[in-house]
Amino acid sequence: EPEVTQTPSHQVTQMGQEVILRCVPISNHLYFYWYRQILGQKVEFLVSFYNNEISEKSEIFDDQFSVERPDGSNFTLKIRSTKLEDSAMYFCASAGGAARNNEQFFGPGTRLTVL
Amino acid sequence: AQKITQTQPGMFVQEKEAVTLDCTYDTSDPSYGLFWYKQPSSGEMIFLIYQGSYDQQNATEGRYSLNFQKARKSANLVISASQLGDSAMYFCAMREGRGDDKIIFGKGTRLHILP
Repeated sequence: EPEVTQTPSHQVTQMGQEVILRCVPISNHLYFYWYRQILGQKVEFLVSFYNNEISEKSEIFDDQFSVERPDGSNFTLKIRSTKLEDSAMYFCASAGGAARNNEQFFGPGTRLTVL
Repeated sequence: AQKITQTQPGMFVQEKEAVTLDCTYDTSDPSYGLFWYKQPSSGEMIFLIYQGSYDQQNATEGRYSLNFQKARKSANLVISASQLGDSAMYFCAMREGRGDDKIIFGKGTRLHILP
């Protein structure tokens, strides 16, 4: 069964550094999302992406964040200058194509630790 | 106001018993979808079940069923014959409007299955 993949599974970085989180959505999907989950809290929406542009973004998704689909398969989330409060699990999701009920398929997540 | 409310932060259930996880939602959009996801200790988000606002029948997927009470804005998850492997965090979530819109999550219920 096709699945969303994410790399790396765990990233440790120093405050102020740039990080790029990578995702490979399911190949025939058209809609892409990033969510984050701070430890012990609920999952929060960050951004949705369709047709090579952002469809919607939350107030969390400020100028420090950007997303890109550099080629036909990858979908990346960049944090320009990480802060301690960016430490969280980041989930990529994709939907569309033949997905039943536009179900969003989640990747396994990248745990980002900012020191 | 909370869009998704899960009032049970934690539950303990004996193995093989049925368990009901509560979820209420708030929306003025007539078109919406309701989801349940399972998050084991490993961290990934596993889709369990979906209910559309216009679906006439309650959704079922194996041991999972969704008790959808539209007038009460309630979407409880029922797990029949619980197993030790069901121990996890369970999130209720909602998507308003279009099928590609973001998903809003509740705070989750941590379920512990006792042997």
